Amino acid sequence: AQSVTQLDSHVSVSEGTPVLLRCNYSSSYSPSLFWYVQHPNKGLQLLLKYTSAATLVKGINGFEAEFKKSETSFHLTKPSAHMSDAAEYFCVVSDHSDSWGKFQFGAGTQVVVTP
Amino acid sequence: DAGVIQSPRHEVTEMGQEVTLRCKPISGHNSLFWYRQTMMRGLELLIYFNNNVPIDDSGMPEDRFSAKMPNASFSTLKIQPSEPRDSAVYFCASSFHLEQYFGPGTRLTVT
Repeated sequence: AQSVTQLDSHVSVSEGTPVLLRCNYSSSYSPSLFWYVQHPNKGLQLLLKYTSAATLVKGINGFEAEFKKSETSFHLTKPSAHMSDAAEYFCVVSDHSDSWGKFQFGAGTQVVVTP
Repeated sequence: DAGVIQSPRHEVTEMGQEVTLRCKPISGHNSLFWYRQTMMRGLELLIYFNNNVPIDDSGMPEDRFSAKMPNASFSTLKIQPSEPRDSAVYFCASSFHLEQYFGPGTRLTVT
């Protein structure tokens, strides 16, 4: 079984300050983990993925995430927020238990960026 | 590549009418997923296909919903008859290995 918990439903940051979005997962197998971003009225866009290689993963738009097995966490960070980062972010786990790459989505974190 | 293509982008229909949503996956991808997104329930997986074969349809809410994938480049999600509670954004996604690529979605409103 697999599950994912996003610890914050809303995060508000000032432009130019760091962003931290927290995600914890549960998986019976070695998981693959993803972060997706959804801007208003848009589809989901892949930010980055972890698939058992390097534990620190760099993605698009300056985002990165660190896989910590001991803490079962995959937190997303960005050193300096931009107004265009305002969106909803989803943490996703896939443990390959069904061989077809079925995803389990977190509930999402809404990010607000203030000037 | 144009990415995953969905049509229509918006659909407004009356209760009881049949609705058909369409999806063209990315060329070369062998898995296709249909999701529904609402404020109340978030993202829900409805059904997914691998090599055009339905693998898991346990997320399909009821018999009013059906999905087909007649070939590798086309899939449909049909609702018949539609009800107001079906109002949502429906996403199609495709994948080849692990990561899924999402289409822009179809916003369905049933009045």
